[in-house]
Formats: sequence, structure tokens, C-alpha cells
Amino acid sequence: EDKVVQSPLSLVVHEGDTVTLNCSYEVTNFRSLLWYKQEKKAPTFLFMLTSSGIEKKSGRLSSILDKKELFSILNITATQTGDSAIYLCAHPFSGTYKYIFGTGTRLKVLA
Amino acid sequence: EAQVTQNPRYLITVTGKKLTVTCSQNMNHEYMSWYRQDPGLGLRQIYYSMNVEVTDKGDVPEGYKVSRKEKRNFPLILESPSPNQTSLYFCASSFADPTTGEQYFGPGTRLTVT
Repeated sequence: EDKVVQSPLSLVVHEGDTVTLNCSYEVTNFRSLLWYKQEKKAPTFLFMLTSSGIEKKSGRLSSILDKKELFSILNITATQTGDSAIYLCAHPFSGTYKYIFGTGTRLKVLA
Repeated sequence: EAQVTQNPRYLITVTGKKLTVTCSQNMNHEYMSWYRQDPGLGLRQIYYSMNVEVTDKGDVPEGYKVSRKEKRNFPLILESPSPNQTSLYFCASSFADPTTGEQYFGPGTRLTVT
């Protein structure tokens, strides 16, 4: 059965720290894996990964996918209080257009 | 402005009283979806639609109905709401197959069923 597991469930760091968030998945027919950030309201898109080993980068955030080991990581360097949010990863179910999200990692960055 | 809108944003209702949460997008997206978000359970998909008149069940469809009569609208219907449907609901849309691109989320509807 397809599933997505994120770790850790929550994390508290200080400004300037670097954090690594993990997303492991099980899927019969991999197509893509997506990362979203959810602050107070609706999730917003960060990255989509389709190929193994290719890093996607946007400012202090970056993400990489390992299709062999079935996981992805989201890295945030030089964290700021504005990075405090829930980070979600998601992928489509095999053979359908259903979508599954992990339960998320709640990140809190202290000033 | 490109957006997904939901109404109402907040709703308190009683068990058994039928309600509809509307969702509309102005981006000409083909794919639309409803999710509920509960503490510790994350976002779970209720229903999705690949196009007009094409809908399918997500992970947690029990107790919900949807329809897609027009491309821009995808209402969520609770025929007989129960307290376990108290949740935060999000509508989302994407241009085509969501495996190829991001979904855009509405602002959310917080529903309380007493």
C-alpha cells in the first residue's frame, strides 16, 4: 500500500541553524514527490522532484530525491523565524490521480 | 488574481443539517480536489475530479458528496454532518495531472459539527 512517512514529527531550532527534514515513501509506480510549506493557513508549493539525485534549490531551501532508497530530504540552511511552519511531502498514488500527504514536520525556529 | 476561493470560511452547524462548502478556481484548471486536515493525521484526500463530470474517491470519502458540473466549481456536500466531520477543509486545483505540477490551495474552511 502506498504511504508517506515524515520525520521528525516536530523540531525546535534556533535562528541560524540548519535543519534536515525527511520524507520516506512506498509506492509501486513512482511518478513525482512534492514538498509543501504550511504556515497559518493553506499549503504552498515548494518543490517537485521526479529524478533521483537532482537537487532542487530555492534560496536557503533545497531538496533531493533518492529513488533507490525511497526517500527525499528537505534542507533549510540559516533558518529564520519565518521558516516556522509545517512542512509536508506528498506523492500521487500508484496508477491513479489520488494524492497522499505525509503527516508533516512541524518546525519552530526561535529567535 | 489567480486563486482558489472557498465559502464559507468558518461554519458551525448541528448534526444532520445538510451543508455545502463551495470551491471555485479562476485558473482554468482541470484537476480539483478536497482535503480534510486533522491534528496528527495530516491532509487526507476526500474526493478529486480530473475534469467536468469526472470525479473519484480519495482516501476518506465516506459521508461526503461532490459534483463537477462546471470546470471552475467543485462543491463539497455533507448530506448529514456528524461530529467526526469537524475538521479544517481545503479545496485545491492544478492545471492537469497533479503528478506533473503543484496544486493551489484555497484558504480553508473550518467546520464544527455539534
